[in-house]
Amino acid sequence: SQQGEEDPQALSIQEGENATMNCSYKTSINNLQWYRQNSGRGLVHLILIRSNEREKHSGRLRVTLDTSKKSSSLLITASRAADTASYFCATDNLGGNTGKLIFGQGTTLQVKP
Amino acid sequence: SQTIHQWPATLVQPVGSPLSLECTVEGTSNPNLYWYRQAAGRGLQLLFYSVGIGQISSEVPQNLSASRPQDRQFILSSKKLLLSDSGFYLCAWRKRGGWETQYFGPGTRLLVL
Repeated sequence: SQQGEEDPQALSIQEGENATMNCSYKTSINNLQWYRQNSGRGLVHLILIRSNEREKHSGRLRVTLDTSKKSSSLLITASRAADTASYFCATDNLGGNTGKLIFGQGTTLQVKP
Repeated sequence: SQTIHQWPATLVQPVGSPLSLECTVEGTSNPNLYWYRQAAGRGLQLLFYSVGIGQISSEVPQNLSASRPQDRQFILSSKKLLLSDSGFYLCAWRKRGGWETQYFGPGTRLLVL
């Protein structure tokens, strides 16, 4: 079953603007990961944020995690046309050692040049 | 460094024909391995995962099966394909025992006609 739910489903912005995507989940987690997928390609890992972390940065990416609200956000600053892709959050749930990730449905981002 | 391979990249098969998709990982040992399916415009659905040779867990009942004949080889199979088996199949690996990043292969696009 899908746990992460991204919002919005689709986002269209102009180059240079910031893009914010949100993810909500239902159960307790070890960590939450964000991935990018270009059309027809595999998933590329962006950031992993652990349950005891509140914010993490990587270049133009900023991820926040609020475990009390069971939500996360991905901010892409100064967007570029090359950022056009689908973005997925995935949760690593507490318990077990299988390392399974539960993915959301994704947000499709279009950055117009 | 670690790499993950999938083949074939694209496959067109008639309904009722058999299927064999292969995934191999290089540069690591004892990985956890995963098979996902992605329908067009949707998130990823976990199909199978494996924590060791010969150990397969199924997440979704269907006419697909998986096998792990070697430590770094994961195979997805079907004896008779259905139209509903069409989709994008992604293999992934992860270090065993840790809550770390999951790395994805380039995927196989399967079209069943």
